[in-house]
Amino acid sequence: DIQMTQSPSSLSASVGDRVTITCRASQGISNYLAWYQQKPGKVPKLLIYGAASLQSGVPSRFSGSGSGTDFTLTISSLQPEDVATYYCQKYNSGPLTFGGGTKVEIK
Amino acid sequence: EVQLLESGGGLVQPGGSLRLSCAASGFTFSGYAMTWVRQAPGKGLEWVSSILGSGGNTYNADSVKGRFTISRDNSKNTLFLQMNSLRAEDTAVYYCAKTSGPYYYYNVMDVWGQGTTVTVSS
Repeated sequence: DIQMTQSPSSLSASVGDRVTITCRASQGISNYLAWYQQKPGKVPKLLIYGAASLQSGVPSRFSGSGSGTDFTLTISSLQPEDVATYYCQKYNSGPLTFGGGTKVEIK
Repeated sequence: EVQLLESGGGLVQPGGSLRLSCAASGFTFSGYAMTWVRQAPGKGLEWVSSILGSGGNTYNADSVKGRFTISRDNSKNTLFLQMNSLRAEDTAVYYCAKTSGPYYYYNVMDVWGQGTTVTVSS
């Protein structure tokens, strides 16, 4: 099975900072990569699909890139409401593996 | 508005059974694959099971294979997860999620329910 590895596992940044989270697949998955945001105590929410397509309603400060095995989620200017754990997930075939998550906090 | 409402969670002893339900509304239920995802306390997300829109094919994580069965009733817009031989490590919040197409692969989980909590303990 393909493994999904996220880094870092947590980060702390200041409001307005550019934040980058990395997700690596153990085998190529083309662009079948999604990013989800889970705020504390809340339900996961789809942010990005197809590695780089923004889900409707998601602020444009979020962006995704990558293909094959290496992917990134970027928050161009971190806001207080972005405090959350972010998960990548492959969906090219089963099992639909999630990464371990990256917890983003405000410094 | 697309809505998913899970029910059926609770406290069960190891080796016991539970049946989770997820009532869907606001979309053509039979046209979309559905998925169960769980999250153990303080842990990350884990895919559990998926079923095609037609209900003809199901897929399960190795961790639940042979113990959990996903099914759906398209006439009642309801998704189910029958959980047997429950273990302590099955303790989690269980979310149902709609996928963005009829197949569980090549499609993302675009709408999530609020979750239902399953606790396996003696």
